[in-house]
Amino acid sequence: GAVVSQHPSWVICKSGTSVKIECRSLDFQATTMFWYRQFPKQSLMLMATSNEGSKATYEQGVEKDKFLINHASLTLSTLTVTSAHPEDSSFYICSARKLGGGFQETQYFGPGTRLLVL
Amino acid sequence: AQSVTQLDSQVPVFEEAPVELRCNYSSSVSVYLFWYVQYPNQGLQLLLKYLSGSTLVKGINGFEAEFNKSQTSFHLRKPSVHISDTAEYFCAVSGTGNQFYFGTGTSLTVIP
Repeated sequence: GAVVSQHPSWVICKSGTSVKIECRSLDFQATTMFWYRQFPKQSLMLMATSNEGSKATYEQGVEKDKFLINHASLTLSTLTVTSAHPEDSSFYICSARKLGGGFQETQYFGPGTRLLVL
Repeated sequence: AQSVTQLDSQVPVFEEAPVELRCNYSSSVSVYLFWYVQYPNQGLQLLLKYLSGSTLVKGINGFEAEFNKSQTSFHLRKPSVHISDTAEYFCAVSGTGNQFYFGTGTSLTVIP
């Protein structure tokens, strides 16, 4: 159990376009989902925390108008990169915490989405 | 605030040899510690976690880690590595907030 999927797994787009990435918890409900960004050979950096039915909480330095997060249900969160530019190219990973899970509860990670902006 | 330091960015080791990947943390509150593995172009998979109780934690794929509060460490060990263990390993800590703090990762390369 505790499977998280992401779609698409990779995407190539032109500069200036918007890209939507979906994160789904397949076999559990998640009140909280997290979006991370990972540059090559680097660690994961938390971008934002997404709570179902409320606005996302963004980490310092992350542009909320550029990285739109929607958590419409207990099993789905989306990240939209608006007006993407080459510097937005990265590996985006989501994670989810089970409904009722406390802060010490494991986060279950999706397989990641590789974004390349040309 | 919490932080994690992984002391070794790259660890080469021969197949069937033992390995230890080091992780040190800093925190002013009780912590919960995790080790994750990432294979190329994939997300993170949980290896093991320490929440409370026994300081020696056993995980999947033959890995184990020991929580040492006095040394603020959570080193990952495996007595005999396989080629398939070649991957990136991340240590992470969480406290009373939502955020996981990840180390910079250790690239384990198993040499045949």
